[in-house]
Amino acid sequence: AQKVTQAQTEISVVEKEDVTLDCVYETRDTTYYLFWYKQPPSGELVFLIRRNSFDEQNEISGRYSWNFQKSTSSFNFTITASQVVDSAVYFCALSERSNFGNEKLTFGTGTRLTIIP
Amino acid sequence: DAGITQSPRYKITETGRQVTLMCHQTWSHSYMFWYRQDLGHGLRLIYYSAAADITDKGEVPDGYVVSRSKTENFPLTLESATRSQTSVYFCASRGSLNTEAFFGQGTRLTVV
Repeated sequence: AQKVTQAQTEISVVEKEDVTLDCVYETRDTTYYLFWYKQPPSGELVFLIRRNSFDEQNEISGRYSWNFQKSTSSFNFTITASQVVDSAVYFCALSERSNFGNEKLTFGTGTRLTIIP
Repeated sequence: DAGITQSPRYKITETGRQVTLMCHQTWSHSYMFWYRQDLGHGLRLIYYSAAADITDKGEVPDGYVVSRSKTENFPLTLESATRSQTSVYFCASRGSLNTEAFFGQGTRLTVV
């Protein structure tokens, strides 16, 4: 079963538009963590945000904001006033306990965001 | 240098050969991970490890072997490489459940 679903494979928007990237997750744990990463064309993976399962406060960081809703198992990411530099692949990830104290970090399939100048 | 490094960065190998991808981190992080990235599949977890000598299979473990005799190293071995294992491989490490994972630069492996 897919643990992290990013249903939007590719999104294109014109510069300065707002865009929301969806992330839906599945877990049986009561304690878990969610993440967003950015992968620009250069290929490295850049950490954006971490959220634990007990903190449902939305977070804003500059043009970026995140909406965490446990009731719908969603952790959506919004970019306001998009810029060309936001063009990248964005990954949502779920961290949860596994066997024998191990921790699994599972990623979604990613959303490729293209900002058109 | 501090951080997490993968080697080699690029590798071309022939079908049937054994190849090992290296991953080394200097933070003494407990948890380490191997992913492969393929178009349309995102990052898929191959193996992960909680500590030296504790490893688990991820989503796509077949054809791969890992070991972790030392905390800082987590090598990934393709026992008999196949063309379907052509991919970009990322290693990652993290200190605990509530911290982010740090990724290596990736290894682009081509199996011909």
